Amino acid sequence: EAQVTQNPRYLITVTGKKLTVTCSQNMNHEYMSWYRQDPGLGLRQIYYSMNVEVTDKGDVPEGYKVSRKEKRNFPLILESPSPNQTSLYFCASSLWGDLYNSPLHFGNGTRLTVT
Amino acid sequence: AQKVTQAQTEISVVEKEDVTLDCVYETRDTTYYLFWYKQPPSGELVFLIRRNSFDEQNEISGRYSWNFQKSTSSFNFTITASQVVDSAVYFCALSDLDRGSTLGRLYFGRGTQLTVWP
Repeated sequence: EAQVTQNPRYLITVTGKKLTVTCSQNMNHEYMSWYRQDPGLGLRQIYYSMNVEVTDKGDVPEGYKVSRKEKRNFPLILESPSPNQTSLYFCASSLWGDLYNSPLHFGNGTRLTVT
Repeated sequence: AQKVTQAQTEISVVEKEDVTLDCVYETRDTTYYLFWYKQPPSGELVFLIRRNSFDEQNEISGRYSWNFQKSTSSFNFTITASQVVDSAVYFCALSDLDRGSTLGRLYFGRGTQLTVWP
């Protein structure tokens, strides 16, 4: 089954403790992206990647890192999480960056709470 | 400035009523794409429709219909004879060529929470 898999689904952590949210897709997609969703703000893009070793900042990249060493994986890294990073995170992928002809496939989300 | 505005934060209707969710977008590009996504209480994002800027034909899919009007920069979504299962957050989104040739940017509105009461 074609899917985008995020882990974990839920995560509670403390301020300053490094964490990684994993994202993997099995569709051989070139494009991958991370979004965060906050009440009243909709989804905002954190980082995206057009291909292996090619990443770029979205609208809210501060406090996050990403890497794209393999095509299928695009982990989101929070080196020193803070409470304002408490949010619902979505990973998404697309065959190419052309989002009209290859719409985004979203993972099921990771709900992160930083205390 | 917001690229996508969904002015309705919350809408409540009673089952079988028709409801329209508004979406107004802003872009300087002549080529752009518009999308609607549904987020049910379970949290996943479900793709509903896409439309490119050169195709102003309205679309109907069952009880769902979409009205795209470039003259008013709007891409409104109507649910006819609403059902309880339609209760969800609905997001309108825009993809354009801002910031150069990258096509991989998708701007979401803030969403409209639709509640359909039995």
